[in-house]
Amino acid sequence: DTAVSQTPKYLVTQMGNDKSIKCEQNLGHDTMYWYKQDSKKFLKIMFSYNNKELIINETVPNRFSPKSPDKAHLNLHINSLELGDSAVYFCASSQAGQVPYEQYFGPGTRLTGT
Amino acid sequence: SQELEQSPQSLIVQEGKNLTINCTSSKTLYGLYWYKQKYGEGLIFLMMLQKGGEEKSHEKITAKLDEKKQQSSLHITASQPSHAGIYLCGADISAGAQKLVFGQGTRLTINP
Repeated sequence: DTAVSQTPKYLVTQMGNDKSIKCEQNLGHDTMYWYKQDSKKFLKIMFSYNNKELIINETVPNRFSPKSPDKAHLNLHINSLELGDSAVYFCASSQAGQVPYEQYFGPGTRLTGT
Repeated sequence: SQELEQSPQSLIVQEGKNLTINCTSSKTLYGLYWYKQKYGEGLIFLMMLQKGGEEKSHEKITAKLDEKKQQSSLHITASQPSHAGIYLCGADISAGAQKLVFGQGTRLTINP
């Protein structure tokens, strides 16, 4: 009965490869997010989607492309991985229309470029 | 510069001691969220503050939001090893845009 799940939990890949991280939430929320946490533990928003529509894009390189097949899923695709992409990526969800709102986070995916 | 500043960045305390973590913003905080993160895990929601002067408690953790809604403090009483982890404050500074910004986190270590 995990609320927000991400796969894989660990991802080790060579620079230049293309990879995807999947996220699913079973909370019935309308809004989903991707955050990046760097080695210094700074947690910054990358994207948010509301009902499959992009609403926030925080100057993320266009090598990163989120895809939302339905409102319960928000996947993150990374093209041509670079060294600075190594980080922990967190997916989160919240219910739109509630202010203030609580975001529920997934366990994170640790991406390591080699 | 970070929109939310946390202090201290790391904290080592003896088990049983009290401690305080601060979160400061130059902008009005429309919602202030405290999360805890353990290594290799996601963020666990602790509590949320919205109104100026508001104070909430959960077990031995108390959080306050100042009257001006620009600073919050998290206080742990009689710390235990289970309190160890990284504490992150997150805030909505854009009045309902559903975009949280986070502080840099405070790494708390509890020594037995």
